[in-house]
Amino acid sequence: GENVEQHPSTLSVQEGDSAVIKCTYSDSASNYFPWYKQELGKRPQLIIDIRSNVGEKKDQRIAVTLNKTAKHFSLHITETQPEDSAVYFCAAKKGGGADGLTFGKGTHLIIQP
Amino acid sequence: ETGVTQSPTHLIKTRGQQVTLRCSSQSGHNTVSWYQQALGQGPQFIFQYYREEENGRGNFPPRFSGLQFPNYSSELNVNALELDDSALYLCAPSMGGSSDTQYFGPGTRLTVL
Repeated sequence: GENVEQHPSTLSVQEGDSAVIKCTYSDSASNYFPWYKQELGKRPQLIIDIRSNVGEKKDQRIAVTLNKTAKHFSLHITETQPEDSAVYFCAAKKGGGADGLTFGKGTHLIIQP
Repeated sequence: ETGVTQSPTHLIKTRGQQVTLRCSSQSGHNTVSWYQQALGQGPQFIFQYYREEENGRGNFPPRFSGLQFPNYSSELNVNALELDDSALYLCAPSMGGSSDTQYFGPGTRLTVL
């Protein structure tokens, strides 16, 4: 089955700087890659996703890039703000199937004032 | 995802007991996926129901079972509870039998003592 590796497990950046979280996946059949943000005590919330027919997608301060040949994808957050502090999860899935999402172990992003 | 409710919010059970968790969503969500999120981990896919039939399953034993009803509500049942079943249980209703985009409900926090 699919295996998703995520790193780093903890990332501390100064407010205003950029943050990058990286994930690799094992199943070349996966073609849907979402990112979730989870604040303490709350549900994971979908913040951005990308499909394998696209190399990059951007939404305001966040962007995701995908390298399908290398089987890795990354989340980029620019101009970080205190409210960006949370745990971020990447995930992968075979598009159009009923297999469910396979998640990474998460990255705890800390924004230092 | 607005319009999705899960009950109860919190639940405490003892080892060996059985539990039923519920998920309700707005009309039209004919597919529902269930995930287990242990503390400090990413969500893990349990199973998916489409039109009242299970059509996908993760690596969970048969004591995890589900039901989906004609009104699109669903249940997750866990028998013979173990300490490791303590987790946040999330449902993700969606449209179509193979929807990729997953928006989670607020979750049920289960504690097994």
